[in-house]
Amino acid sequence: AAGVIQSPRHLIKEKRETATLKCYPIPRHDTVYWYQQGPGQDPQFLISFYEKMQSDKGSIPDRFSAQQFSDYHSELNMSSLELGDSALYFCASSFAGTGRNTGELFFGEGSRLTVL
Amino acid sequence: RKEVEQDPGPFNVPEGATVAFNCTYSNSASQSFFWYRQDCRKEPKLLMSVYSSGNEDGRFTAQLNRASQYISLLIRDSKLSDSATYLCVVLKNQGGKLIFGQGTELSVKP
Repeated sequence: AAGVIQSPRHLIKEKRETATLKCYPIPRHDTVYWYQQGPGQDPQFLISFYEKMQSDKGSIPDRFSAQQFSDYHSELNMSSLELGDSALYFCASSFAGTGRNTGELFFGEGSRLTVL
Repeated sequence: RKEVEQDPGPFNVPEGATVAFNCTYSNSASQSFFWYRQDCRKEPKLLMSVYSSGNEDGRFTAQLNRASQYISLLIRDSKLSDSATYLCVVLKNQGGKLIFGQGTELSVKP
């Protein structure tokens, strides 16, 4: 079965550069979530989208922005990168179409960003 | 204080041991509760949902105490393959985001 696809899997950037991460949710899933997981840390919620509209916002820095497109894929744009942005970025998707989120999020394998 | 707090790890246990993880959450309005499993450098995956009546899935038993805002996971007859980080997860409201605990690392040794 198709899973959540994230790209790139690995990314190395310099400080102050920009980066874009992409996420392709499982077909027919209408909700996308972005999480950031630093070394030894739990996943921190950044932002989510339901039906292409932002549905919730967490600890996403102002330097970051995200959107969900008409085909439901999502992109996380990160600018003015800092050393502390080095982390594993997970995208997850779910189907909330019935109005009930069962809590089962399907995670992609993550994009590992290293800022030098 | 974090919204979801777990036992600090790591837990190092021999094969066949029974191990219990505890978790507390601060928001009494939280609606749903889960245990996720995360292998090293991999994505989190749902292990099981947690219901007030308690639920069991093979060697795994999850319990929820809403009054105490406490969640537990019991693993019986530990296997080497159970070695992972176990994340306590809370859903604040339907359609909302999942809040993760910091995770408890389990290492099962031969």
